[in-house]
Amino acid sequence: DIQMTQSPSSLSASVGDRVTISCRASQGINNYLAWYQQKPGKDPKLLIHGASSLQSGVPSRFSGSGSGTDFTLTISSLQPEDVATYYCQKYNSVPCTFGQGTKLEIK
Amino acid sequence: EVHLLESGGGLVQPGGSLRVSCAASGFTFGSYAMKWVRQSPGKGLEWVSAISGRDSSTYYADSVRGRFTISRDSSNNTLYLQMNSLRVEDTAKYFCAKSLSWAATDGFDFWGQGTVVTVSS
Repeated sequence: DIQMTQSPSSLSASVGDRVTISCRASQGINNYLAWYQQKPGKDPKLLIHGASSLQSGVPSRFSGSGSGTDFTLTISSLQPEDVATYYCQKYNSVPCTFGQGTKLEIK
Repeated sequence: EVHLLESGGGLVQPGGSLRVSCAASGFTFGSYAMKWVRQSPGKGLEWVSAISGRDSSTYYADSVRGRFTISRDSSNNTLYLQMNSLRVEDTAKYFCAKSLSWAATDGFDFWGQGTVVTVSS
């Protein structure tokens, strides 16, 4: 099975900072990658699908890039409400494995 | 508005069975794949199972294959997960999620709030 590895596992940044989270697949998955945001005690929310397509209603400060094995989620200007854990997920084939998550905090 | 509501969680002994349900509304249920994802306390997300929207093909994670069965009833817009031979490591919050399309291999655009399953003696 394809493994998904996120980095870093956690990070702390200041309001207004540009934040990047990486996700690497152990084999190529084309652009079959999604990013989710999960706030404490809540269900996950889809941010990005197809590696770079912004889901409807998601703020434009979120963007995704990459193809093949290396992907990036970028928050252009961090806001207090962005405190959450972020997960990547591959969906080119089953099992649709998630990364281990990146916990984002405000400095 | 899409709404997914899970139910049926609870406490069960190891080796026992439980069926969790997910009542769906706000979309044409039979046209979309549906999934189950679980999250153990303080841990990450684990894809568990999926059922496609065209032919109801089913798919399972290795950790649950042979013990769990996913099904759907389009007459009452409900998704099910029958869980047998439960193990302590199955303890988790179980989320149902709607696929972006009929395909089991697609992203999840709506999630329920989850139902908690605890396997303990």
